[in-house]
Amino acid sequence: DADVTQTPRNRITKTGKRIMLECSQTKGHDRMYWYRQDPGLGLRLIYYSFDVKDINKGEISDGYSVSRQAQAKFSLSLESAIPNQTALYFCATSDVQGMSQHFGDGTRLSIL
Amino acid sequence: QQPVQSPQAVILREGEDAVINCSSSKALYSVHWYRQKHGEAPVFLMILLKGGEQKGHDKISASFNEKKQQSSLYLTASQLSYSGTYFCGTGDQGGSEKLVFGKGTKLTVNP
Repeated sequence: DADVTQTPRNRITKTGKRIMLECSQTKGHDRMYWYRQDPGLGLRLIYYSFDVKDINKGEISDGYSVSRQAQAKFSLSLESAIPNQTALYFCATSDVQGMSQHFGDGTRLSIL
Repeated sequence: QQPVQSPQAVILREGEDAVINCSSSKALYSVHWYRQKHGEAPVFLMILLKGGEQKGHDKISASFNEKKQQSSLYLTASQLSYSGTYFCGTGDQGGSEKLVFGKGTKLTVNP
């Protein structure tokens, strides 16, 4: 089983819908991250959480919200999806030292 | 501030060498390097911390010049498996766990 699991892997939805992307991990890491990847733009940080009670905005948090339900679970929500949120979304984890980040397989989200 | 990677793309023949550069306008505490193969998740390669160290494993190594706020990734005697997009992620003094990634360098190794 994957250490960092993202669900769903693919999602197609319509403008205005509420969407939740889920991430769970078995690595025992405290730190979790949500990134967005668009072609040619690299990985951009949406939100990050260093523990269950610590959640921080990244560089592109507008239009997104997160919930850290437990050490192992970190969800990303789009309250009212819009087409320019179409992208590949990655969840990642790191240990307290932050020496490396471990990525899930990604969720490909299309908003029509 | 997003670090700048160069070149944007490079095409090699198997066995050739390549250098990928990463420059930042901010003072850096750390530089991380990741490789992403097509359709897959990014995979951690190595981290370099403030101190100007050089690291490597197998035929991939990297250097970090903190005074110039630059890092370089060296791929020696490239193999087909090296193909992918390489990203640098930079961490500032505030915490190296929160990274800002460059736009990536696409490396293609042909037989």
